[in-house]
Amino acid sequence: AQSVTQLGSHVSVSEGALVLLRCNYSSSVPPYLFWYVQYPNQGLQLLLKYTSAATLVKGINGFEAEFKKSETSFHLTKPSAHMSDAAEYFCAVSYTGGFKTIFGAGTRLFVKA
Amino acid sequence: DAGVTQSPTHLIKTRGQQVTLRCSPKSGHDTVSWYQQALGQGPQFIFQYYEEEERQRGNFPDRFSGHQFPNYSSELNVNALLLGDSALYLCASSLGRGKNNSPLHFGNGTRLTVT
Repeated sequence: AQSVTQLGSHVSVSEGALVLLRCNYSSSVPPYLFWYVQYPNQGLQLLLKYTSAATLVKGINGFEAEFKKSETSFHLTKPSAHMSDAAEYFCAVSYTGGFKTIFGAGTRLFVKA
Repeated sequence: DAGVTQSPTHLIKTRGQQVTLRCSPKSGHDTVSWYQQALGQGPQFIFQYYEEEERQRGNFPDRFSGHQFPNYSSELNVNALLLGDSALYLCASSLGRGKNNSPLHFGNGTRLTVT
């Protein structure tokens, strides 16, 4: 079955530190990969997407993610965390031939002053 | 340009009752997907509507049904409510004839509480 695994339900970093949120997917076919962010009492917003054009994808708010086929990973990074980055982050995947997008369980990012 | 709008924002129902949630997609979008997000979990796919038909369904019972109208807006209906149906229900729209590499645009959700 197709699935997405996010390692770490909670991640805490200091302001200015590197942010690394991990995502692995299971797939026997090339996936489309996404990262979404959810702020309290809001819906999800797209941060970035991978659709096979380039393995390093840049998104909004300084985030980027690298697709590594050999590791079936799509980890999200940001060089320097801001307080405003505190939110829940979801990795998601969809596939050619299907219509649904499958979400991971999410990682809550805490940013300490 | 209005994004995805959902109504109502909050709803409290009693076990056994029925509920209807509504969604208007982002302008220009033709596909609507519904998700259930339980507290502390990721969104779970309920179903997707395209051209007024249910195109794919997730692992949800028949108590969950939907509809898409000619203007692309959509409704989610849940019958015989259970306590476990308490969740945030998210509507997401997308474009490009429902291509699965089209990113989802989400509304802020309807918070359903079943007592």
